[in-house]
Amino acid sequence: KQEVTQIPAALSVPEGENLVLNCSFTDSAIYNLQWFRQDPGKGLTSLLLIQSSQREQTSGRLNASLDKSSGRSTLYIAASQPGDSATYLCAVSDSNSGYALNFGKGTSLLVTP
Amino acid sequence: SAVISQKPSRDICQRGTSLTIQCQVDSQVTMMFWYRQQPGQSLTLIATANQGSEATYESGFVIDKFPISRPNLTFSTLTVSNMSPEDSSIYLCSVVGDALGTDTQYFGPGTRLTVL
Repeated sequence: KQEVTQIPAALSVPEGENLVLNCSFTDSAIYNLQWFRQDPGKGLTSLLLIQSSQREQTSGRLNASLDKSSGRSTLYIAASQPGDSATYLCAVSDSNSGYALNFGKGTSLLVTP
Repeated sequence: SAVISQKPSRDICQRGTSLTIQCQVDSQVTMMFWYRQQPGQSLTLIATANQGSEATYESGFVIDKFPISRPNLTFSTLTVSNMSPEDSSIYLCSVVGDALGTDTQYFGPGTRLTVL
């Protein structure tokens, strides 16, 4: 069964810093990998989707990379802002799960003014 | 993208009762899922809601405890039956696929359930 691990579990940075969130997965036969943001008391917001054939995706200050062979993905956030404070979740779909997602436990990010 | 609503947004229930959660999508989608997020944990897939047939349940989840209906391509319900405090969680539905034109999975806002 696919296992998804996210490091660090929590991160606190001052505003303006660039930061990297890490995600690893055990089965490289993935269909795609998604990064989500979850705010307290709210649902999930999709940030970036990377297909298994892609190496990276960018949206604004966010850049996600995928190294399928090593089972790793990183989410890079440039020039962090207090509004970026949230829990970031990594999730993969694979040949066993179909389109259903296997989630990591998330990284709780706090950006201080 | 897809706009998904869930009802109720939250509820407090007594042990032994049942609660039905509704999920409504603004477009027709083939694939719909139900997830559970226990306190302090990440999301775990409960089942895939199949239109016109029985749901497909993940290991550890059974139909008698979590019956699911999917009468059409825009609506589904999840019932949490004979509840215990261990069922206290956030329950989320999600959709992906064809009519949305993307593999991105979209989530509803969740239903926060507390069982006393």
